[in-house]
Amino acid sequence: GAVVSQHPSWVICKSGTSVKIECRSLDFQATTMFWYRQFPKQSLMLMATSNEGSKATYEQGVEKDKFLINHASLTLSTLTVTSAHPEDSSFYICSAREPGSNQPQHFGDGTRLSIL
Amino acid sequence: GQQLNQSPQSMFIQEGEDVSMNCTSSSIFNTWLWYKQDPGEGPVLLIALYKAGELTSNGRLTAQFGITRKDSFLNISASIPSDVGIYFCAGQLYNTGKLIFGQGTTLQVKP
Repeated sequence: GAVVSQHPSWVICKSGTSVKIECRSLDFQATTMFWYRQFPKQSLMLMATSNEGSKATYEQGVEKDKFLINHASLTLSTLTVTSAHPEDSSFYICSAREPGSNQPQHFGDGTRLSIL
Repeated sequence: GQQLNQSPQSMFIQEGEDVSMNCTSSSIFNTWLWYKQDPGEGPVLLIALYKAGELTSNGRLTAQFGITRKDSFLNISASIPSDVGIYFCAGQLYNTGKLIFGQGTTLQVKP
């Protein structure tokens, strides 16, 4: 149980393109999802907390107009990297929690984004 | 901000050996989690700890939640090549569910 699916797994696109990444909880409803960014050989860096039916909460230093998050249903959150540039190239990972306090986060398989 | 100190940073061991890694924090957590990440994939939950002093096993893996709620260790017994990867500890904040991650321990196993 507690499977999180992330799509696409790999994207290569030109500078200036907007890219959408989907995160789905397949066998549970997730009122809260999280979006992370990970650089090579580093730990995960939280970008934002996505709450179903409300605005996302962004971490300090993360541009909310650059990284648009939509959590329209209890099983789907999307991250859109707008007008992507080479410096946005990274590994983006989402996670979701089952309802209830102290439930752990379960992670998707990540999206490798390469901006040319 | 809150940080977790995870050690060692990397380990290179022989197949069959036991492995131990640990995390310490300056803050108290109600939940400690251990994840493993393979290259190019997302972290996979190995063990979740909810009570101070709790000792939990998952196959060859054993983890303990420290009595002070400021530390945790993960042991892997009789390591095998597929244990290779990066292991992360994480403390979970009760009110937001956010995770504070350790820096990770890279494990390499020589057959």
